[in-house]
Amino acid sequence: KQEVTQIPAALSVPEGENLVLNCSFTDSAIYNLQWFRQDPGKGLTSLLLIQSSQREQTSGRLNASLDKSSGRSTLYIAASQPGDSATYLCAVRQGYGGATNKLIFGTGTLLAVQP
Amino acid sequence: GAGVSQSPSNKVTEKGKDVELRCDPISGHTALYWYRQSLGQGLEFLIYFQGNSAPDKSGLPSDRFSAERTGGSVSTLTIQRTQQEDSAVYLCASSSAGTSGFEQYFGPGTRLTVT
Repeated sequence: KQEVTQIPAALSVPEGENLVLNCSFTDSAIYNLQWFRQDPGKGLTSLLLIQSSQREQTSGRLNASLDKSSGRSTLYIAASQPGDSATYLCAVRQGYGGATNKLIFGTGTLLAVQP
Repeated sequence: GAGVSQSPSNKVTEKGKDVELRCDPISGHTALYWYRQSLGQGLEFLIYFQGNSAPDKSGLPSDRFSAERTGGSVSTLTIQRTQQEDSAVYLCASSSAGTSGFEQYFGPGTRLTVT
């Protein structure tokens, strides 16, 4: 059974700092991995999706890497801003097609960027 | 274009009543998912629809939960005889195949409170 873990559970950093959020999964047979952010009382916003054949994806100040064989992904946020404060969730999708399209979510990292 | 929409945004109901939650996916997305987010359980998969295929109901917690998707578009999640443990945020997502790689886009959620 796939289990997804995120470390740390919470993180507080001063504005401008670069930071790394970690995600690990127990079953490396994934189709893709998605990083989301969730603001309080809101839904999920997709940040980056990495296919199993890819090593990393970049969007603006965000860079996500994937090491499928070791069951790890990292989300790197450069030059953090107070507006980055949110809960960050990673989720993996197993296999391909049919009943395996569901996402299995990690427990999230609550990020606070102090001005 | 319009994203995934859900209604109502908040629902308060008495224990034992039935509730219906609605999801409008992104136009053209063939896949639709329901997830539940609760304090003790994190984000968990409920049910998945893909085109005309039989839905994957493996995540539904009990037979009080059911969902349908009419005309390949709008979906309704029904909870019968609600219990206090059903209180959670119910999130809907949709995705398409092709270059997006089944990237899932989430709605704002429906917060259900059972009193």
